[in-house]
Amino acid sequence: DGGITQSPKYLFRKEGQNVTLSCEQNLNHDAMYWYRQDPGQGLRLIYYSQIVNDFQKGDIAEGYSVSREKKESFPLTVTSAQKNPTAFYLCASRKTGLGNQPQHFGDGTRLSIL
Amino acid sequence: RKEVEQDPGPFNVPEGATVAFNCTYSNSASQSFFWYRQDCRKEPKLLMSVYSSGNEDGRFTAQLNRASQYISLLIRDSKLSDSATYLCVVTSGGSYIPTFGRGTSLIVHP
Repeated sequence: DGGITQSPKYLFRKEGQNVTLSCEQNLNHDAMYWYRQDPGQGLRLIYYSQIVNDFQKGDIAEGYSVSREKKESFPLTVTSAQKNPTAFYLCASRKTGLGNQPQHFGDGTRLSIL
Repeated sequence: RKEVEQDPGPFNVPEGATVAFNCTYSNSASQSFFWYRQDCRKEPKLLMSVYSSGNEDGRFTAQLNRASQYISLLIRDSKLSDSATYLCVVTSGGSYIPTFGRGTSLIVHP
């Protein structure tokens, strides 16, 4: 089955700790995205990557880092510098090169502070 | 002014009703438009793309009005299972950076 897999589904972070959220896709999509969603709010873009070994900051990149060493994988690290990390994190991917294709989402990771 | 605006609702309608949502966008150079559905505590799922000439998928009709800079979603014969939040997504520029609206909540009751 093709799709986007995010893990873990739930994650707890202790103060001062970095945590990494996994996002893997087997859709052969070039572009991948990370969003944060707070209760009752829209999605806000953290980072995105259009191609392997390249990524760009979104609107709220402070306190987060990413890497794109493989096409299939786009992990997000929530660092200790992110003081309010509790949120629903969504990873998305998109096929490029064929007009404006829509994004497809993983089922998300819920991060909470211990 | 926010780039993409939606009425948060909730829109509370009986089964069988017809309901319509609008979404306004501020960037006149916007190129692509989509409607997503998001259930409570779940990921957004693509409902439909919005084409310039308007398009229909079963009970759902999407339209684009470039002159007034809004897109709309019409749901006919509402079902209980249509209860969800509907997100409007607009993209601009060649780098395809989408902007999401905050969503409109729909509650369909018996």
